[in-house]
Amino acid sequence: ETGVTQTPRHLVMGMTNKKSLKCEQHLGHNAMYWYKQSAKKPLELMFVYNFKEQTENNSVPSRFSPECPNSSHLFLHLHTLQPEDSALYLCASSQAAPLYEQYFGPGTRLTVT
Amino acid sequence: ILNVEQSPQSLHVQEGDSTNFTCSFPSSNFYALHWYRWETAKSPEALFVMTLNGDEKKKGRISATLNTKEGYSYLYIKGSQPEDSATYLCAFGGDNQGGKLIFGQGTELSVKP
Repeated sequence: ETGVTQTPRHLVMGMTNKKSLKCEQHLGHNAMYWYKQSAKKPLELMFVYNFKEQTENNSVPSRFSPECPNSSHLFLHLHTLQPEDSALYLCASSQAAPLYEQYFGPGTRLTVT
Repeated sequence: ILNVEQSPQSLHVQEGDSTNFTCSFPSSNFYALHWYRWETAKSPEALFVMTLNGDEKKKGRISATLNTKEGYSYLYIKGSQPEDSATYLCAFGGDNQGGKLIFGQGTELSVKP
């Protein structure tokens, strides 16, 4: 499989649940990203990993916890989310940022009830 | 706070029309400017990454220009087709932003046959 894949594609969770989003890239890239897309708002960067090291945490609440075990995989662990966290979560990867284009996955549509 | 502004927010044109839209970004600490196309139910797809003032890039009927001194980029579509209907995003990368891209809200283009 090529490109950037994300699972699950859709997720409904209660505020007390714990779940994880998974992202995998098969492009040999060094950087991986989590973005949040809320309705009527620009794409918002959450986290950046370069060579498995977190280089950016864009003031994201601690109920979102990223994990990058290797340069091909990225996780976003979710716990005690709020309804306002309902959004589309996109993963992307690239060579050295910000000079190179980013390749995006299909996203996970998250609904918090 | 760094702002990236896109205008117009939405655009409706007839098939065959040529159109253009604008991305405004900070003129200081510039490193790269990205353009992406985001079709409904798909992932954002890179169109161009531009780094040099005065740069012009072209891909088929789509082209883009860059003015880093005044902080704007134009995206042009010649002879719009229904398949060009999408949201067009620009993103600014600064040289002091640690690889972070700041996205505009996008221009939603609808091309009617």
